[in-house]
Amino acid sequence: VQLVQSGAEVKKPGATVKISCKVSGYTFSDLYVHWVQQAPGKGLEWMGLVDCEDGEIKYAEKFQGRVTITADRSTDTANMELSSLRSEDTAVYYCATDLNMVRGALAAMDFYYGMDAWGQGTTVTVSS
Amino acid sequence: AIQLTQSPSSLSASVGDRVTITCRASQGITTALAWYQQKPGKAPNLLIFDASSLESGVPSRFSGSGSGTDFTLTVSSLQPEDFATYYCQQFHSYPLTFGGGTKVEMK
Repeated sequence: VQLVQSGAEVKKPGATVKISCKVSGYTFSDLYVHWVQQAPGKGLEWMGLVDCEDGEIKYAEKFQGRVTITADRSTDTANMELSSLRSEDTAVYYCATDLNMVRGALAAMDFYYGMDAWGQGTTVTVSS
Repeated sequence: AIQLTQSPSSLSASVGDRVTITCRASQGITTALAWYQQKPGKAPNLLIFDASSLESGVPSRFSGSGSGTDFTLTVSSLQPEDFATYYCQQFHSYPLTFGGGTKVEMK
């Protein structure tokens, strides 16, 4: 399986950035694609996920209202849009997936093994 | 949201040392925890899943233990390629969260 992300972006404060994550070598609709932010010199922060089967999304509260994650089954691509950019959004953004994840039945939590496939990362620089 | 607190935030060690990193959850998460290794400029790499199961292809010097709120990652004999930053991540409930990371540096 490969996750290939779009290239680096430079944006002005207040702008919107869209990053894509093309999945190959696996059945796209079987996956959840997650997005992870890593600011320079900082740790990993989970932003949210999209269920590539039905488009259901979950977002971290920190990014709710500014982030939009989608899945395009026609191109096997997940996308992450972050709006109202500010300098603190300067970071590397990764897409990632757990190839062995089992969807939870009804309201049960999904069962994860761990993120075992990652994109190469996309650097977003926000600067005036 | 479940908070994961890693300690120490950094440590200095020598090749051959036994290294232990701790991850404490703010509430019980059974064994829904993974460990990753990250090297500069690279994506994280999964080492351990389900708190103690070794990911395929990961050297056996890495091991994980714990359940509930307290977890450890141990490197039994540190090798030159193990100098990196290590993160825990919980999968017990959404939002998924990561620990703050532990940087393992050369003494």
